[in-house]
Amino acid sequence: DGGITQSPKYLFRKEGQNVTLSCEQNLNHDAMYWYRQDPGQGLRLIYYSQIVNDFQKGDIAEGYSVSREKKESFPLTVTSAQKNPTAFYLCASRGQEHQPQHFGDGTRLSIL
Amino acid sequence: AQSVTQLGSHVSVSEGALVLLRCNYSSSVPPYLFWYVQYPNQGLQLLLKYTTGATLVKGINGFEAEFKKSETSFHLTKPSAHMSDAAEYFCAVSSGGYQKVTFGIGTKLQVIP
Repeated sequence: DGGITQSPKYLFRKEGQNVTLSCEQNLNHDAMYWYRQDPGQGLRLIYYSQIVNDFQKGDIAEGYSVSREKKESFPLTVTSAQKNPTAFYLCASRGQEHQPQHFGDGTRLSIL
Repeated sequence: AQSVTQLGSHVSVSEGALVLLRCNYSSSVPPYLFWYVQYPNQGLQLLLKYTTGATLVKGINGFEAEFKKSETSFHLTKPSAHMSDAAEYFCAVSSGGYQKVTFGIGTKLQVIP
């Protein structure tokens, strides 16, 4: 079945450490997105990518980085510059403009 | 610019009662509107979408929503709540292009037996 796979499900970060969240899709979608979800704040866009080797900052990109070397993959790195990384992170993809996004099951990141 | 307002961060209904979750949007161009449902520690699942055409949209699990341009609303309804409907619901608007899908802050639905 086609879908989006996020891994790991749970992730713990030590102070000063960079961590990378994986997102893979087999839907053949061009566009991919990363959102951060905090209680009571809905979904906030971190980065998005419309095509391979191109990506754009969203509303809260500071402290995060991404790459898009393959159509299927859009990993997110949470750097040590992100001082409040504890959140639920959601990856999504979209095949065409105006069509709904498909979401992965999320990664919950916590600080040790 | 676009925005979404979901009235009521928490809604409680009795099992078998009508479910009404409110969503108002703003958009400078004709909008595309979506409702998603999220269960704890899971991703978002599409309930229904409005793109063009019929303004009453039917979705999965017995939910439906009506696009009312004059009221800039896209409220979600279900005639009879089931215990399995307890979840968080998000309204979203897209005004074109890949970039921006704006989400509301979500409404947590509690179903009381």
